[in-house]
Amino acid sequence: GNSVTQMEGPVTLSEEAFLTINCTYTATGYPSLFWYVQYPGEGLQLLLKATKADDKGSNKGFEATYRKETTSFHLEKGSVQVSDSAVYFCALRFTGRRALTFGSGTRLQVQP
Amino acid sequence: DAGVIQSPRHEVTEMGQEVTLRCKPISGHNSLFWYRQTMMRGLELLIYFNNNVPIDDSGMPEDRFSAKMPNASFSTLKIQPSEPRDSAVYFCASSLDLGNNQPQHFGDGTRLSIL
Repeated sequence: GNSVTQMEGPVTLSEEAFLTINCTYTATGYPSLFWYVQYPGEGLQLLLKATKADDKGSNKGFEATYRKETTSFHLEKGSVQVSDSAVYFCALRFTGRRALTFGSGTRLQVQP
Repeated sequence: DAGVIQSPRHEVTEMGQEVTLRCKPISGHNSLFWYRQTMMRGLELLIYFNNNVPIDDSGMPEDRFSAKMPNASFSTLKIQPSEPRDSAVYFCASSLDLGNNQPQHFGDGTRLSIL
């Protein structure tokens, strides 16, 4: 079936470190891919998206590239800040289906 | 701009009681989604509506759960009777249904605790 797999957390980094959160998917077809972020006590917010192979989504210093050959959509940031501490969710959506399928989420903790 | 508005933010009640969660989607959005988030199962889609019509309710766990969308600006998720295992954060989200690339906008959730 269709699914999203994320690396388990928590991921603990020092401020200004490089971040990678891995996300791979299993799908029949070519879904749209999303990263959402959830800050403590809040709902999910869209961080970035990519709708076709080789697209790069970017926002707030984060970026992710839609890799069809490896069915991956890894999230990266060159220099994290304490304020980036949150839970990050990878998600996909298939043509003809409006609902999102989410990964399990990866908690990021950035220490000063 | 007002985002998705959910109420209440927190609810604590005893098992067996009826619980009603409310959601006001973003004006103009015609798709609405209810999700449940728990530590064990992560984010699960319960049901979604398009133009006020339920499209897929396969995620609704059992008959104790029901959802309605009487108009484009309001939806409810009801649990009757509630059980401790229903304790979770329930999120409502909405999107503009103009193709599959439209993102979903989430409310801040309702944290439900059933004692």
